[in-house]
Amino acid sequence: GIQVEQSPPDLILQEGANSTLRCNFSDSVNNLQWFHQNPWGQLINLFYIPSGTKQNGRLSATTVATERYSLLYISSSQTTDSGVYFCAVERAAGNKLTFGGGTRVLVKP
Amino acid sequence: DAGVIQSPRHEVTEMGQEVTLRCKPISGHNSLFWYRQTMMRGLELLIYFNNNVPIDDSGMPEDRFSAKMPNASFSTLKIQPSEPRDSAVYFCASSFRQGLAYTFGSGTRLTVV
Repeated sequence: GIQVEQSPPDLILQEGANSTLRCNFSDSVNNLQWFHQNPWGQLINLFYIPSGTKQNGRLSATTVATERYSLLYISSSQTTDSGVYFCAVERAAGNKLTFGGGTRVLVKP
Repeated sequence: DAGVIQSPRHEVTEMGQEVTLRCKPISGHNSLFWYRQTMMRGLELLIYFNNNVPIDDSGMPEDRFSAKMPNASFSTLKIQPSEPRDSAVYFCASSFRQGLAYTFGSGTRLTVV
């Protein structure tokens, strides 16, 4: 199956700092999503981004499908950004969405 | 929309008992997915449905696990008999169709003692 690798595995930030999370995948994909799992366990869909760039407030994401990676940018981080960020990909329609291992982010006040 | 609704939020049961988890997808979504999350294995897809029809159940760990979707607004995941290694958080998700954005429910935290 497709391999999804996220880096770094852990990230500690001071409130107000910027950061970049990376997702590498081993095959062509037609579906890529970023999720945030908050400290209460809820999984929130941040972006559906099989290619290109999108922005939502302080968060933005870029997927370069031809080079098989995606980046999630967090700007001016806040303590509420803490949690685990997952990248998930699907190789082709009718296939399954496979999750990476996640990046655990802690934003300190 | 109320989002994807799962029940119960927490379930504690004794080994050998039957457990039924429930999910109501977002109205109009045609694809429904059941995932399991554990520390050791992360998020794993158990089974998914398109238009109420099970498409791929290769992730279902054993015959003790079964899932149904009798109509577009309801799905169940059943474990019979339950075992301590089934302890995990079980998530249900739905999407308008496969290949588009997923919305996850709040999950059911299952503890089998």
